[in-house]
Amino acid sequence: GAVVSQHPSRVICKSGTSVKIECRSLDFQATTMFWYRQFPKQSLMLMATSNEGSKATYEQGVEKDKFLINHASLTLSTLTVTSAHPEDSSFYICSARDTRGGAYTQYFGPGTRLTVL
Amino acid sequence: SQQGEEDPQALSIQEGENATMNCSYKTSINNLQWYRQNSGRGLVHLILIRSNEREKHSGRLRVTLDTSKKSSSLLITASRAADTASYFCATAGGTSYGKLTFGQGTILTVHP
Repeated sequence: GAVVSQHPSRVICKSGTSVKIECRSLDFQATTMFWYRQFPKQSLMLMATSNEGSKATYEQGVEKDKFLINHASLTLSTLTVTSAHPEDSSFYICSARDTRGGAYTQYFGPGTRLTVL
Repeated sequence: SQQGEEDPQALSIQEGENATMNCSYKTSINNLQWYRQNSGRGLVHLILIRSNEREKHSGRLRVTLDTSKKSSSLLITASRAADTASYFCATAGGTSYGKLTFGQGTILTVHP
């Protein structure tokens, strides 16, 4: 299967700082990537759809100025949590859609655990 | 809002037993997928079933889909301790192809 990586895997930061999370598709090109957040013992909530070369599409209730998404290449999307606060502490997971061969399977990264102090 | 609802929320079984998890959804779909997540880790894609399919097998996994009832089930046969994880269903809808809506998940614990 295809491989998606995320960096960093864990980050602890002080309130008010910004944190950038990278999502990379390692062996395929992904015009579309997705960003999710997951609170403990809960399901994944889609935050936004990241499209290469265009603006991200945010889900209702997600602040686009708070969660900046940049999909600058076919293998890299970044999520920047700006002016992070403790309530932003969560598990952030990206996925990349593999459209090779007509399939549309999403492959997920291992996640990034953000803790804001 | 979450499209999928899964039951049970938690399931505890002995090794060798079968585990069945159910998922219900509300709107029309193109396909339904099942994922596994080990604690604190990313998701692993298990199986995809299209809306025109009724049953699919992959190894010890069997998935059924009933579009008239808007429900799906995941059966894991001859479970192993290594199957301990959270299992999520996710639906891909007709007008937003590619976007997945996840169910609440079932926490499966398989005791050795």
